[in-house]
Amino acid sequence: QITLKESGPTLVRPTQTLTLTCSFSGFSLSTGGVGVGWIRQPPGEALEWLALIYWDGDERYSPSLSSRLTITRDTSKNRVVLTMTHMDPVDTASYYCARYWQGRYYFDYWGQGTLVTVSS
Amino acid sequence: QSALTQPASVSGSPGQSITIACTGTSSDVGGYDYVSWYQHHPGTAPKLLIYDVNKRPSGVSNRFSGSKSGNTASLTISGLQSDDEADYFCSSYSGTTTWVFGGGTKLTVL
Repeated sequence: QITLKESGPTLVRPTQTLTLTCSFSGFSLSTGGVGVGWIRQPPGEALEWLALIYWDGDERYSPSLSSRLTITRDTSKNRVVLTMTHMDPVDTASYYCARYWQGRYYFDYWGQGTLVTVSS
Repeated sequence: QSALTQPASVSGSPGQSITIACTGTSSDVGGYDYVSWYQHHPGTAPKLLIYDVNKRPSGVSNRFSGSKSGNTASLTISGLQSDDEADYFCSSYSGTTTWVFGGGTKLTVL
């Protein structure tokens, strides 16, 4: 059974750095072709793809947010971490992690998401 | 990159069919046959329903089908059931390892 779960703070102050963790089971990020991505959805708005990390450590970022994002992986602990700097109230959103297979162009398993509010 | 456009809501009665449109551009929906659709019951993990425009993952009911014409993709749900009531969102690959998503459509089963 494949599961992913996001964790992190529910409230972040403006200008702070957000750190989110995706803990997964049922697959390994050591397997060739596997990736884990992050997607967010502000309340009432469209979802937005943020970042992706592949089994070999290759990182990809949304061009509009690349300067603020860092994605890392801990293969031994089945975790992927996303950090986003300089948080702003417009970054208030539900953040999801999801599994990806290289060459398949869709995310086949998702976590249930975690709501992050940016407010002073 | 702009988000894909979906209607905010659709509704239908049990047994009926509904179609949800997802409109993009030639840079995403129209340029690639990599449209996917997801079902999301709030508070749970989104579930993949359709990938590559019209393919269903194993275990997804054949009541769900996808299609594409030009820059618009569509999800059709036939034989509506009460547990189909959920949010549905589309996604398209948009090149150089980037994706765009729709805003989601809330389906109400009357």
